[in-house]
Amino acid sequence: DAEITQSPRHKITETGRQVTLACHQTWNHNNMFWYRQDLGHGLRLIHYSYGVQDTNKGEVSDGYSVSRSNTEDLPLTLESAASSQTSVYFCASSEWAGGTQYFGPGTRLTVL
Amino acid sequence: DQQVKQNSPSLSVQEGRISILNCDYTNSMFDYFLWYKKYPAEGPTFLISISSIKDKNEDGRFTVFLNKSAKHLSLHIVPSQPGDSAVYFCAALMEYGNKLVFGAGTILRVKS
Repeated sequence: DAEITQSPRHKITETGRQVTLACHQTWNHNNMFWYRQDLGHGLRLIHYSYGVQDTNKGEVSDGYSVSRSNTEDLPLTLESAASSQTSVYFCASSEWAGGTQYFGPGTRLTVL
Repeated sequence: DQQVKQNSPSLSVQEGRISILNCDYTNSMFDYFLWYKKYPAEGPTFLISISSIKDKNEDGRFTVFLNKSAKHLSLHIVPSQPGDSAVYFCAALMEYGNKLVFGAGTILRVKS
């Protein structure tokens, strides 16, 4: 069965360190998204991609970057982790740009 | 400025009764609305959607109602079951849009 996976599921890091969160989907979807979930804010879009070599900034992109070298993967990098980036991160993919998004299980990141 | 608002952070309902979750939006350009359900330690999963050309969509125990003039939608769950206990997110999509805007979520607890 097609699926979307995220790794690691939990990560603790220190302020200033570079962190990369992995997202892998086997749906063969062109569209992939990264969100963060915080209490009182719901899900906020960080970055998204409509295909290989395409990346776009979302609502809360400062301090984050993504790259898309193949269809299956969209890694999210925190260049210099800050305590404000402590959150739960979700990756999602969809078949078409406005279509139903399928979410991964999430990565809980703690920045100390 | 939240364009999609879920003003009730939580809702508690007795098993077998109706659960009504509400969502308001401010942007009249939104024309497609979705509800996602999220269990702890899992990613959100798509539940039901409605296009702005309709005022009701039903899927089993779940019905979504849309009132465009009031910019309001609601999700009805009848009858409610303990397994429905989860966080419910309302989301909206703009015409030709490609990004979902999520509300903050409502925690539903169904008591047995």
